[in-house]
Order: sequence, then C-alpha cells, then structure tokens
Amino acid sequence: NAGVTQTPKFQVLKTGQSMTLQCAQDMNHEYMSWYRQDPGMGLRLIHYSVGAGITDQGEVPNGYNVSRSTTEDFPLRLLSAAPSQTSVYFCASSSRTSGRARSSYEQYFGPGTRLTVT
Amino acid sequence: AQSVTQLGSHVSVSEGALVLLRCNYSSSVPPYLFWYVQYPNQGLQLLLKYTTGATLVKGINGFEAEFKKSETSFHLTKPSAHMSDAAEYFCAVSEGATNKLIFGTGTLLAVQP
Repeated sequence: NAGVTQTPKFQVLKTGQSMTLQCAQDMNHEYMSWYRQDPGMGLRLIHYSVGAGITDQGEVPNGYNVSRSTTEDFPLRLLSAAPSQTSVYFCASSSRTSGRARSSYEQYFGPGTRLTVT
Repeated sequence: AQSVTQLGSHVSVSEGALVLLRCNYSSSVPPYLFWYVQYPNQGLQLLLKYTTGATLVKGINGFEAEFKKSETSFHLTKPSAHMSDAAEYFCAVSEGATNKLIFGTGTLLAVQP
C-alpha cells in the first residue's frame, strides 16, 4: 500500500509555463483534495473532489484546474505559472461517510511537491 | 464559517518539559477537530482527532488534547517533550459534509536539549 503519492518532488518553472502535478492514491478513497502551503499561512484548499467526475473549488482556486476521471488519480494543472504560485503543494485523500453526516475520517497526505516559479 | 486560530507561531521548550500548543476554533455546528504534525520536508500526519464522546483525546507519540466547548478550544499537550517532537503542528476543523479541512497557520515547536 503506497498511500498517497505525488510527482514530481521538485519543479522549477518559468513564468507563463504550464505543468501538471500528479497525485495518486491506492486506498480506494472517494475524497481527494489539493492544498498549498505557504509560510505563516498554514494549508489552504485549492480544489477538491468527492468522487470520480465531481470536482469543486476550494479557498484559492484561481490559476489551477483539476479533473477526476478515476478514483485513484487527481492531477492539478497550472495553466500559466506565476511567481505567486511558488509554494509547496500537498495532495490528500480520505474515505467519506455516506449520506449527509460529516466525515470524521482522517485525511492522508502525500509527501508534497515543492514548486518554484521564476 | 469555520475558522481556526493557533496562538504562537513558534514555541520553544526544553527536553522533558511540558508541551502546550494552543488552538481555538469557530464553528456554527459541533466541530470535528484534528491535530496534524509535519516533520521537515514531509507531508502531514494525523496526531489525534475529536468527533464526539470523550472530550479528552489521546493520540500518537504521547500527545493528547482536550475539547472544551465553553472555551472553544482544543489545546494539544504532552507531559514531557522529546527531541523528536520538534516539528510543525497544525490544528484543523472539519467543515460540513464535504470533508474539507480548515487549517490554522501552524505552530513550529523547537525542543532544546
């Protein structure tokens, strides 16, 4: 069981370039999400998905796209990189309760991708 | 809307001393609360969580936290700090039925020999 994997670990982009951050999980989790971590700001939610084919925006979605074609994968696309997107990006996944009950399941985090945009 | 406030972005303790990391939350519904730990250059790992029931929650590595509704707090404690506890700690509240987590800004714990 690999858990949540992310690639690449490090990436340097020039302003205006595009790229995709990969995230995969092998725990058959319905819920997946992307966060960015910046000093003094904690983790902020970019996009999330409650199942294959369903995505929604989080707190800071501008400049990022996501899709969820399979349960396992949840890639994050940077359309036109900007220096403000320099950050550490974390993918997370968790099980989800059925119905309307809030989930108490923990989120499992990947090791992160450190992105620098010059 | 839910929010989390962590008082003290940096906390320094001596090895063997009490660790106290503070977390206050704001929530319009009974909260689900979490503490995560992040070691250098790693992802986040769950330390403990409160959902319902007993308000004193025990987690991994000797940490525990107490949910106090009247104080809207969920402070993290450990009786005796170890050098390996040096890390960044995040408090989080679960929002609604979407599994979304709202994180505090984190507290960096340093343990002095």
